Amino acid sequence: GENVEQHPSTLSVQEGDSAVIKCTYSDSASNYFPWYKQELGKGPQLIIDIRSNVGEKKDQRIAVTLNKTAKHFSLHITETQPEDSAVYFCAASRTTDSWGKFQFGAGTQVVVTP
Amino acid sequence: GAVVSQHPSRVICKSGTSVKIECRSLDFQATTMFWYRQFPKKSLMLMATSNEGSKATYEQGVEKDKFLINHASLTLSTLTVTSAHPEDSSFYICSALGLAGGPEQFFGPGTRLTVL
Repeated sequence: GENVEQHPSTLSVQEGDSAVIKCTYSDSASNYFPWYKQELGKGPQLIIDIRSNVGEKKDQRIAVTLNKTAKHFSLHITETQPEDSAVYFCAASRTTDSWGKFQFGAGTQVVVTP
Repeated sequence: GAVVSQHPSRVICKSGTSVKIECRSLDFQATTMFWYRQFPKKSLMLMATSNEGSKATYEQGVEKDKFLINHASLTLSTLTVTSAHPEDSSFYICSALGLAGGPEQFFGPGTRLTVL
């Protein structure tokens, strides 16, 4: 089955700097890659996603890149703000079967210091 | 749009009792919902897939008689933890797929279960 690895496990950045989180996946048939932000004691919130027919997607300060050949995708947050502090999870899924079950990465704790 | 609610948000119960957690899609219909369990500082672990009108599909190692799932309508799935024990204490989160057929999962706010 699918295996998703996520790095780093923790990331500390100064406010205004950029943050990058990387994930690799094992199943070449995976074709949907969402990123979720989870604040303490809350459920995950979808912040951006990308499908396998696209190499990059951007939404304001957040961008995701996908390299299908290398089977890795990354989340980029620019101009970080204290409210970006949270745990971020990547996931991979096949939309063609298994009801599109997600395989999640282990998560990255991002701390943005003022 | 795409709001998912869970009730209760927090529950404390005695060992041996059963607890029901509700997951509702508020502004869309969801044929498929997922139930996850999350331990502190860990990732989400899929427990089961719940399809409206049919039996849930459980992941390997998850006891179906322990974690009863019912998906009776397009907007409601319930998870009942039967004969709860302290080791069942955890954060339980549901998610829903929209009817439009897209791959996005929309997550509820989670339910913190503490079994004494």
